[in-house]
Amino acid sequence: ELKVEQNPLFLSMQEGKNYTIYCNYSTTSDRLYWYRQDPGKSLESLFVLLSNGAVKQEGRLMASLDTKARLSTLHITAAVHDLSATYFCAVIDSNYQLIWGAGTKLIIKP
Amino acid sequence: SAVISQKPSRDICQRGTSLTIQCQVDSQVTMMFWYRQQPGQSLTLIATANQGSEATYESGFVIDKFPISRPNLTFSTLTVSNMSPEDSSIYLCSVPSGQRQETQYFGPGTRLLVL
Repeated sequence: ELKVEQNPLFLSMQEGKNYTIYCNYSTTSDRLYWYRQDPGKSLESLFVLLSNGAVKQEGRLMASLDTKARLSTLHITAAVHDLSATYFCAVIDSNYQLIWGAGTKLIIKP
Repeated sequence: SAVISQKPSRDICQRGTSLTIQCQVDSQVTMMFWYRQQPGQSLTLIATANQGSEATYESGFVIDKFPISRPNLTFSTLTVSNMSPEDSSIYLCSVPSGQRQETQYFGPGTRLLVL
């Protein structure tokens, strides 16, 4: 059974700092997703990572995938308040269903 | 990317009643997914709705409680039947999109509070 673990589950940080959210999964998968969710809102697709070594960047966010280690990271560079949200990773299983991490609630203080 | 709308956006309902949630997509899609997100939690897949066939339900979800319709390739409904306060959640529909269906897009969600 595919399981997805995120850590940390909660992160409070100052603006301007760098930090990384980790996403581990238990069995082989073809795709890994990162989503953002603002309070009371739906999910916004950030990145889709399809292959080992894939790295994608959008603004201050950069996601990478190591399929051998079954690990993805979401790195935040010089955080700004607008990045405060809950971030989810999800991995596709053999039935093409998404298995979700618990989410990381990120609070960035001005 | 797919554009997805849901109705209603939110509702407050009495226990024992039922609510039907609509999901409309701006393009034809084979698969539509219905998720539940309880307060402060991650997403849980309720069922997969395929046009022309019965929905496939995940463990812990049954058709009598969450009947789904999929009359065409752009529309689906999820009914939450005989509601209880434990059904208070955000309900989200999603569809795969992209050249290789590699991305899943989500509707804006329906926020349900059952009193």
